[in-house]
Amino acid sequence: SQTIHQWPATLVQPVGSPLSLECTVEGTSNPNLYWYRQAAGRGLQLLFYSVGIGQISSEVPQNLSASRPQDRQFILSSKKLLLSDSGFYLCAWTPHGTGILENGPYNEQFFGPGTRLTVL
Amino acid sequence: RKEVEQDPGPFNVPEGATVAFNCTYSNSASQSFFWYRQDCRKEPKLLMSVYSSGNEDGRFTAQLNRASQYISLLIRDSKLSDSATYLCVVNRGNTPLVFGKGTRLSVIA
Repeated sequence: SQTIHQWPATLVQPVGSPLSLECTVEGTSNPNLYWYRQAAGRGLQLLFYSVGIGQISSEVPQNLSASRPQDRQFILSSKKLLLSDSGFYLCAWTPHGTGILENGPYNEQFFGPGTRLTVL
Repeated sequence: RKEVEQDPGPFNVPEGATVAFNCTYSNSASQSFFWYRQDCRKEPKLLMSVYSSGNEDGRFTAQLNRASQYISLLIRDSKLSDSATYLCVVNRGNTPLVFGKGTRLSVIA
């Protein structure tokens, strides 16, 4: 069965510090991968998605970046955190060919447990 | 107008009550619809897909009205364990899912 891992679970960082959040998926090959942020009182905001190694699409311009160095690894980074970067960061996956490029009943997104980031 | 809008609640209902959530979407090209459930400080999980003809899963019934661009979720015989935030989710095809902000439900003993 497939599982998705994120770490760390919680993080407190000062403004201006760098960030690296990691997400890995097990039990599937060539998944589509996603990074979301959920800020207090706001809905899920898609930040990045990836359909393959080295392929990153950005949905929202910001001081964050994403990379996919391996098939089942997705990393969210920042060189300098802002207060507004605080939030609940969720990684998600969908099977290859679904969720983005295909329409139909196979668009269920499977979310990781999330990282709660507080920037002080 | 936001692409997906939901009443944020909270809805506070007693155990055993029937409660309904509504969701409207603005893009008429939307093609797939879902309800996700998110427990406090946890990740969202798919509750059910919403089909054109409406569908039922135990105590949960989802309805879609394309003409009015409206989706609903009905929960019958509410349980304490139903307390959560319910997210309305829409897919336009060839684009990522769009999530509503969610409706918070508290079922009270």
